[in-house]
Amino acid sequence: GQSLEQPSEVTAVEGAIVQINCTYQTSGFYGLSWYQQHDGGAPTFLSYNALDGLEETGRFSSFLSRSDSYGYLLLQELQMKDSASYFCAPTDSWGKLQFGAGTQVVVTP
Amino acid sequence: NAGVTQTPKFQVLKTGQSMTLQCAQDMNHNSMYWYRQDPGMGLRLIYYSASEGTTDKGEVPNGYNVSRLNKREFSLRLESAAPSQTSVYFCASSESTEGANVLTFGAGSRLTVL
Repeated sequence: GQSLEQPSEVTAVEGAIVQINCTYQTSGFYGLSWYQQHDGGAPTFLSYNALDGLEETGRFSSFLSRSDSYGYLLLQELQMKDSASYFCAPTDSWGKLQFGAGTQVVVTP
Repeated sequence: NAGVTQTPKFQVLKTGQSMTLQCAQDMNHNSMYWYRQDPGMGLRLIYYSASEGTTDKGEVPNGYNVSRLNKREFSLRLESAAPSQTSVYFCASSESTEGANVLTFGAGSRLTVL
């Protein structure tokens, strides 16, 4: 079957580092994407991992371990504008994405 | 460059009424999608069209129909709206379903069914 788990909420102060974990069970797994969505807005693509290891994009990094069916998104040097929901989305070999319920990141001053 | 445009942005319907949500993309993408988002539920795929001329059911297709009118346009129709269809609907497109399959989303259509 298909399953997807990520924490519902994470709170951190400006300048801190936050790690959002994602565990998945996806038939025909191909890769793991991450999307960001601000309140009232549309989801936007952040990163994608097809291979094991770390991908870095500015302050954000994403990691994948295919053998553990696990990934994480690392947000560094947190800013107030990073307050948003973050979704991990495993992609299967047919290109379909499975979105979880998302993790709400709350950044406090 | 508008990206993905959805209309209408807001709609209130009575139970049993029908309506069509319109979606158009100007990025020459091959694949298009309709998702719904409910509080605490994340995004659930309703229907998708991997390429012009094809449509397939997603996770929650019941109560909906779609039409891929041409490469640019992908509409979602509710034939007889129900309160359970109150949601935010997002249209998305991607260049192809291969590889990362990066989705570009529209701004969303907020539908309330009374």
